[in-house]
Amino acid sequence: KAGVTQTPRYLIKTRGQQVTLSCSPISGHRSVSWYQQTPGQGLQFLFEYFSETQRNKGNFPGRFSGRQFSNSRSEMNVSTLELGDSALYLCASSSGGAGELFFGEGSRLTVL
Amino acid sequence: DQQVKQNSPSLSVQEGRISILNCDYTNSMFDYFLWYKKYPAEGPTFLISISSIKDKNEDGRFTVFLNKSAKHLSLHIVPSQPGDSAVYFCAASATNTGNQFYFGTGTSLTVIP
Repeated sequence: KAGVTQTPRYLIKTRGQQVTLSCSPISGHRSVSWYQQTPGQGLQFLFEYFSETQRNKGNFPGRFSGRQFSNSRSEMNVSTLELGDSALYLCASSSGGAGELFFGEGSRLTVL
Repeated sequence: DQQVKQNSPSLSVQEGRISILNCDYTNSMFDYFLWYKKYPAEGPTFLISISSIKDKNEDGRFTVFLNKSAKHLSLHIVPSQPGDSAVYFCAASATNTGNQFYFGTGTSLTVIP
């Protein structure tokens, strides 16, 4: 079956702009999680959505937000971009309970 | 506060030998652990998991050991192959936190032919 699909794969923004990233999970998966990967920091948990509800939230400022649609597709938004937001943003889906995460290839955001 | 730590940024091993990747955690509530492999320009790929009710789990060439008292887990790859060269991440979560995983910073493994 098709894997996790993230769009766009690469994007460049300037400080102060906003960005929206999209994630389509594996068919049948109801949980979508978002992670930020920066050099030296590993993967940092942003938030998790399950059945259109935010189930968990990491320690990120309110500029980072997300949502999940009835078809389980998810979007995350970053407003008022800062240089430090440059990172690889990874989406992962799972069937719901705590378990294996299936990751997409990520969206690489560069903020100039 | 890094709750999951991988203190070795890199590791080089000869082909055919054993690779041992280590991971330490600080939160005693963690009870489920995963290992992922990541190639450049790709998303992480799941390798193996272990829950706190076990101290060992095997899957082919991959074995994960968990030492709860030491808050330490390790991934053994035997025998190592050049295709195993990648960055390896360990991750941990606690019951009732859904899929909120804490990841280490990764260990870059190079298997030398």
